[in-house]
Amino acid sequence: LAKTTQPISMDSYEGQEVNITCSHNNIATNDYITWYQQFPSQGPRFIIQGYKTKVTNEVASLFIPADRKSSTLSLPRVSLSDTAVYYCLVAFSYIPTFGRGTSLIVHP
Amino acid sequence: DTGVSQNPRHKITKRGQNVTFRCDPISEHNRLYWYRQTLGQGPEFLTYFQNEAQLEKSRLLSDRFSAERPKGSFSTLEIQRTEQGDSAMYLCASSLWEGRDVTNYGYTFGSGTRLTVV
Repeated sequence: LAKTTQPISMDSYEGQEVNITCSHNNIATNDYITWYQQFPSQGPRFIIQGYKTKVTNEVASLFIPADRKSSTLSLPRVSLSDTAVYYCLVAFSYIPTFGRGTSLIVHP
Repeated sequence: DTGVSQNPRHKITKRGQNVTFRCDPISEHNRLYWYRQTLGQGPEFLTYFQNEAQLEKSRLLSDRFSAERPKGSFSTLEIQRTEQGDSAMYLCASSLWEGRDVTNYGYTFGSGTRLTVV
C-alpha cells in the first residue's frame, strides 16, 4: 500500500511556475507534511513544512486542502538549478517514509 | 554549526568484510536517524535514536546491521559480512524533538556515505 503518491517525473522551463502534487490519503491527525529536495550524491534538503492551509517561505509555497489528503508544492519561477528530485514526506506510524519522489527537469 | 557530518563519503569493500560508518549530528539535536537509498529510489528508513536510546528499527535492518549512539552524540552504523545487495547510499539525519503534541519531521540530512561492495 503506497503511503504517498507523486508523479514520477515532470518537465518545465526556466521562469515557469511548477506545481507538484502529493497524495496522502491515510495521513494521521498529528502528521505534518514536509517536502524535501535532493540533488545527485547529496542528502535530501528541507524545503517547506505545513499542517494545513497555506505556508510560504523564501523558496516555495505549500498548499494543503482542508481534508489534508493531498498537498501541492509550488516553486515560483524555476531555474536550471531547481532540477532535482522532490519528495513529499508524511509520517505513518511515527516512521517517516519517503516515496520515490518526483524528478523535476528544468529546461533552458 | 556545520550541519550533519558523515564519514567516510565513499567506501569500497570486498564482499564478506565488515564496514562501519559514522554520523555526527547537529549538536543540539536529540534525534538521529539512519536511512538507506539505492539508485532511483527514495530513502528507506532503517532506525532512529532519541538521545542514546534506539527507539525503532525497520525490518530492513537485518541481523548483520547494528547501530549505536553512545552518550547520545555521534552514531555508528556497522554492517557485518557485507553483501553486494548492501551497496547503497547510507544517509544520516538529525532533528530536535521537543515532545510537542503535533509531530513534525524537519530533518537535517548529511551528504551520506556511498558503499560499494565488490
